[in-house]
Amino acid sequence: GQQLNQSPQSMFIQEGEDVSMNCTSSSIFNTWLWYKQDPGEGPVLLIALYKAGELTSNGRLTAQFGITRKDSFLNISASIPSDVGIYFCAGQRTGANSKLTFGKGITLSVRP
Amino acid sequence: DTEVTQTPKHLVMGMTNKKSLKCEQHMGHRAMYWYKQKAKKPPELMFVYSYEKLSINESVPSRFSPECPNSSLLNLHLHALQPEDSALYLCASSQGQGHNQPQHFGDGTRLSIL
Repeated sequence: GQQLNQSPQSMFIQEGEDVSMNCTSSSIFNTWLWYKQDPGEGPVLLIALYKAGELTSNGRLTAQFGITRKDSFLNISASIPSDVGIYFCAGQRTGANSKLTFGKGITLSVRP
Repeated sequence: DTEVTQTPKHLVMGMTNKKSLKCEQHMGHRAMYWYKQKAKKPPELMFVYSYEKLSINESVPSRFSPECPNSSLLNLHLHALQPEDSALYLCASSQGQGHNQPQHFGDGTRLSIL
């Protein structure tokens, strides 16, 4: 099935640094979602975006729904060790048989 | 803490065993989902239930059999699984399928097939 484009596969940053990751698609989505998954746990919803151009924050996290509706980015500011994990973007369309389309995920490592 | 509860957390079974995975949510959500996830990969959709009726079956082998006894519960019955079925099985729920409300995931059942 279709996957969203998320790259690189891994990112390594120093504690305190900001990091930005983006997600692109060849087709339009009505909703963009960002999830974080820690080892041994399920994905946890970080931010949901519902409108093109929307910019939403959740603590140190900021995400934007691209104006073309084909992309989204997530920014983490002042990273801390517990930011380590896999970050998945997901797109969703409305409709009777809608499903989530996931990116491949980015594994974030934070050096203390 | 997740509001979608999955049991058991870990399961080891032989290829001839029959077992069931359970999922429960009390958020009043009317859509529930089963996903399979391999290490370092995104979740792959298996089944969707909408208002307790099977809405989507992503061509999943019949050795996996879903059941939705009521709007809060979702089961996945397993029989004669293969070693390649070893994975993390995630349950999720949302207000309704087709709405723009996000899915919320449980912590999964780690399944190992011997």
